[in-house]
Amino acid sequence: AQSVSQHNHHVILSEAASLELGCNYSYGGTVNLFWYVQYPGQHLQLLLKYFSGDPLVKGIKGFEAEFIKSKFSFNLRKPSVQWSDTAEYFCAVSGLSGGSYIPTFGRGTSLIVHP
Amino acid sequence: KAGVTQTPRYLIKTRGQQVTLSCSPISGHRSVSWYQQTPGQGLQFLFEYFSETQRNKGNFPGRFSGRQFSNSRSEMNVSTLELGDSALYLCASRPTGTEGGEKLFFGSGTQLSVL
Repeated sequence: AQSVSQHNHHVILSEAASLELGCNYSYGGTVNLFWYVQYPGQHLQLLLKYFSGDPLVKGIKGFEAEFIKSKFSFNLRKPSVQWSDTAEYFCAVSGLSGGSYIPTFGRGTSLIVHP
Repeated sequence: KAGVTQTPRYLIKTRGQQVTLSCSPISGHRSVSWYQQTPGQGLQFLFEYFSETQRNKGNFPGRFSGRQFSNSRSEMNVSTLELGDSALYLCASRPTGTEGGEKLFFGSGTQLSVL
C-alpha cells in the first residue's frame, strides 16, 4: 500500500521568506507524484506533477519540487512567498490499482503568509 | 466547460440517518472519484467509478457506498451516520486517457455535519 507523509502541518511565514514543505512517500513500484493546492474557498487544484524525467519540476506560481528517489521525497519549494500563497498544500502519490492510478494524499500543510 | 458540480453544498444530519450526495463530472469525463477530507486526516480515498463500475475502493466501512449513472453522474450514500462522518466530501473527475491522475478536477465539496 502506498502512503504519504507531510512533515509540517502548519507553517507561518512572512512575505518574501523562502518555503520548503516536506513530503515523503512509500510505495513499492513506479509512482507519480503531485502537489495540490487548496486556496481559501476554492477547489483543490494541481500545482505540479512528476511522472518521469527531470527530477526538478516546475509548477504554477513559481513553485517547484524535487523528486529524490533515494530518499522517497518530493519536497515543495518556493524562493519567495507571497500573501496570496496562503492555502492548504497536499502532497499526493499515485500507484497503479485496478487499472488506474489512485492518488493517495498526505494530511496537508496549512500555510499562512503574513503581509 | 462547467466544472465538477457537487450538491448540496452543506448538509446537517443527525446520527443514525442516511445521506446521499451528488456529483456531476465535467462533460466527457467518465471517471469519478470520491474523497473524504477532514482536518486531522487530510484527503482519504473512498472509491472510484468508471463507466458505471466501481474500479477502486478505499478502506471505509460498508456504510459508505456509491454508484455511477450512464451519464457519468455519481452519487455516494452514507447510511447510519456517525459523528465521525462529519467531513467535507470531495468529488473529482478526470478525462479518459489520463489514468496517471494528471488531470484530476475537483468539485467544491459537500460539507456534511452530523449532530
